[in-house]
Amino acid sequence: QVQLVQSGAEVRPPGSSVQISCRASGYTVTAYYIHWVRQAPGQGLEWVGTISPSDGTTTYAQSFQGRVTMTRDTSTFRFYLQLNSLTSADTAMFFCAREMVEIPSSLDYWGQGTLVTVSS
Amino acid sequence: DIQMTQSPSSLSASVGDRVTITCQARQDIGNYLSWYQQKPGRAPQLLIYAASKLQTGVPSRFSGSGSGADFTFTISGLQPEDIATYYCLQSDDLPYTFGQGTRVEI
Repeated sequence: QVQLVQSGAEVRPPGSSVQISCRASGYTVTAYYIHWVRQAPGQGLEWVGTISPSDGTTTYAQSFQGRVTMTRDTSTFRFYLQLNSLTSADTAMFFCAREMVEIPSSLDYWGQGTLVTVSS
Repeated sequence: DIQMTQSPSSLSASVGDRVTITCQARQDIGNYLSWYQQKPGRAPQLLIYAASKLQTGVPSRFSGSGSGADFTFTISGLQPEDIATYYCLQSDDLPYTFGQGTRVEI
């Protein structure tokens, strides 16, 4: 069955960086884009960006441009989100999600989420 | 960016009621609209894609309609387990954008 399993919670001081991962299994990983979504405590969903599993092409939300990097490791079927220059506003749950192939597309499978806490 | 305006932000209804949520796009997005349910502490779950198609395994009391810029999500016969926050998402153009969410209470 399709599974997206994310890495565990992280605590980082302000100004530092964090990298979280999302391991995909149960489907042809190279055929489906992966998206990342942020959700601050008590707030709504915010799209962060997407990565192509085949060639690593990325598109990021403007609000994250310059401090976010998405990568993938095709040998381990893992996708990574790195966020730099962390501030307290980055304290949030981050989700990875698979984009379905069928058009119009949507996000059909989601990881369980990774909580990132930014605190000194 | 394509702004999505979702309303209401919250609603309270009784078990068995018909519940309706709307999402309006700032421009024509065709049927590139999906709906998600999120329960506290859980990841969002896809309910409706392509504006009106029911995701496999989702109860038939959930439905979606609309195209272009105006969309509607309906729960026909609210159940206690439907207590959650619901979001729309446009996937017509990058960056993808979510509606602000609707909290449904009983």
